[in-house]
Amino acid sequence: AQSVTQLGSHVSVSEGALVLLRCNYSSSVPPYLFWYVQYPNQGLQLLLKYTSAATLVKGINGFEAEFKKSETSFHLTKPSAHMSDAAEYFCAVSEGYNTDKLIFGTGTRLQVFP
Amino acid sequence: NAGVTQTPKFRVLKTGQSMTLLCAQDMNHEYMYWYRQDPGMGLRLIHYSVGEGTTAKGEVPDGYNVSRLKKQNFLLGLESAAPSQTSVYFCASSYRRGVYNEQFFGPGTRLTVL
Repeated sequence: AQSVTQLGSHVSVSEGALVLLRCNYSSSVPPYLFWYVQYPNQGLQLLLKYTSAATLVKGINGFEAEFKKSETSFHLTKPSAHMSDAAEYFCAVSEGYNTDKLIFGTGTRLQVFP
Repeated sequence: NAGVTQTPKFRVLKTGQSMTLLCAQDMNHEYMYWYRQDPGMGLRLIHYSVGEGTTAKGEVPDGYNVSRLKKQNFLLGLESAAPSQTSVYFCASSYRRGVYNEQFFGPGTRLTVL
């Protein structure tokens, strides 16, 4: 069965510092991977997705993620954190091309300090 | 274009009461989903629908029922609310399955069961 593990339920960085949010997956088939962001009191919105076209995926707001098959990872990064990046981030996996569902990780809350 | 909307935004119920949460989408999406979000547990799928008139169970379906009588609406019912159903409920929709399964989320309904 597919699963997603997000290491670290809370991550704190200073404004301008590198953001690194970790996501590891398990899958018996080629996965499709997603990162979603949830701002306070809002629903989730898509940051970026990996669909096997390129291993380095660029998303909105300066975020990017790299698919590493050998490490079964899809970590999210941003070179320079901004106060507005404070939110909860969810990694999700779609179990192959013909699946109806996404499997979500437990989320990582990002705090950005001035 | 309103996207995905949810009604109500907040609700407090007493144990044993019933209620229906309404989700509506104006994107002509085939797929619709109901999730619950609890601290430290990410999003868990309750029920979903792959088209008008069809529904299926997700990861945590017990205590909930759903209906999809119209393509644009997906209703989640609680027949006899329990304190364990205190949660934030999110509805989502997507155009199709698999790699195209980018899900669009509503703003959520915060439900408290006393």
